[in-house]
Amino acid sequence: EPEVTQTPSHQVTQMGQEVILRCVPISNHLYFYWYRQILGQKVEFLVSFYNNEISEKSEIFDDQFSVERPDGSNFTLKIRSTKLEDSAMYFCASSYIATNEKLFFGSGTQLSVL
Amino acid sequence: GENVEQHPSTLSVQEGDSAVIKCTYSDSASNYFPWYKQELGKGPQLIIDIRSNVGEKKDQRIAVTLNKTAKHFSLHITETQPEDSAVYFCAASKGPVPGRRALTFGSGTRLQVQP
Repeated sequence: EPEVTQTPSHQVTQMGQEVILRCVPISNHLYFYWYRQILGQKVEFLVSFYNNEISEKSEIFDDQFSVERPDGSNFTLKIRSTKLEDSAMYFCASSYIATNEKLFFGSGTQLSVL
Repeated sequence: GENVEQHPSTLSVQEGDSAVIKCTYSDSASNYFPWYKQELGKGPQLIIDIRSNVGEKKDQRIAVTLNKTAKHFSLHITETQPEDSAVYFCAASKGPVPGRRALTFGSGTRLQVQP
């Protein structure tokens, strides 16, 4: 069964450093998302991406965050200058068409900012 | 914005019993309500979903009901098995309008099925 793949599974970084979280969505999917889950809290929406541009973003997704689809298979989330409060599990998700909200999630990247 | 409340936060049942998890939402424009199951070390997996034009949907041992007037929806699992043990999340969205596909999640329910 096709699945969303995320790498790395764990990332430890120092505060102020840049990190890039990587995702390979399901191959025929067109819509891509990043969500995050701070330990013990709700899963929160960060950003959605379609046709090489952001279609929606939350207030969490400030100028420190950016997303990119550098080629036909990868989808990345970059945090320019990490803060302690960026520590969370980051989930990538994808869906096939606009009228189908069935999101398929990856297993997540646990980001720890020290 | 949308706010989704989920109860209970933990639920322990005996194998074979039923489990019910309830969610309420605040935005009457929400029209899509999925339920996700998250097992340890994995991402959320969609188990069932319902749209606002439907009151109930069933898939084998899992069913979801929606009350639009009261703005609440529930997940029902019958004949629970130990492999049903996981964290369950409800969510709501206003899709499929482009740019409004974000899911708002509830806080999760940790279901423990005792053998």
